[in-house]
Amino acid sequence: EIVLTQSPDFQSVTPKEKVTITCRASQSIGSSLHWYQQKPDQSPKLLIKYASQSISGVPSRFSGSGSGTDFTLTINSLEAEDAAAYYCLQSSSLPLTFGGGTKVGIK
Amino acid sequence: QVQLQQWGAGLLKPSETLSLTCGVYNGSFSGYYWNWVRQPPGKGLEWIGEINHSGSTNYNPSLKSRVTISVDTSKNQFSLKLNSVTAADTAVYYCARGPYKWGYMDVWGKGTTVTIS
Repeated sequence: EIVLTQSPDFQSVTPKEKVTITCRASQSIGSSLHWYQQKPDQSPKLLIKYASQSISGVPSRFSGSGSGTDFTLTINSLEAEDAAAYYCLQSSSLPLTFGGGTKVGIK
Repeated sequence: QVQLQQWGAGLLKPSETLSLTCGVYNGSFSGYYWNWVRQPPGKGLEWIGEINHSGSTNYNPSLKSRVTISVDTSKNQFSLKLNSVTAADTAVYYCARGPYKWGYMDVWGKGTTVTIS
């Protein structure tokens, strides 16, 4: 099973700041890494697919990068509505696995 | 716009069988993979398994001995059964659509809270 390790666990950020969340895989997964946002009491929402591909309707301040074992989700110019938990998901091999999550709070 | 609507019992006793169904509305059923994902209170997400319209399944080995995912193409529905539940199975259970086999999930249901007590 591929283990995804996210860091940090929690980040408190001032609006308009840049946020960087990392996801490290226990073995190479190519670009089979996807990012989700989950707000309290809501379902996860797909932000980025295949490491860096944008999703229609997702604000352009969200971007992804990386390949192999190291991946990054970047939120440029954080807005208050971005307060949420963020999860990575790998689809390189079964079982599909998620990272432990990163909570982003607003200062 | 496709919507997933899920339902099922929210309170079970230990050793009972969890049963949830997810209906697919305003969208195609065939050509996609249909997933179940769960989230224990205050914790992260765990993939349970997937099925396609033909009934081909993949399960998480950690739950495989207790899980059955089935499909009813006549109703555009798919279902989850989890046997012999314990308190550790208490979670919000989500159904979700995947465009590809073993892929990401792009449309999610609202979730069903299942409590084992």
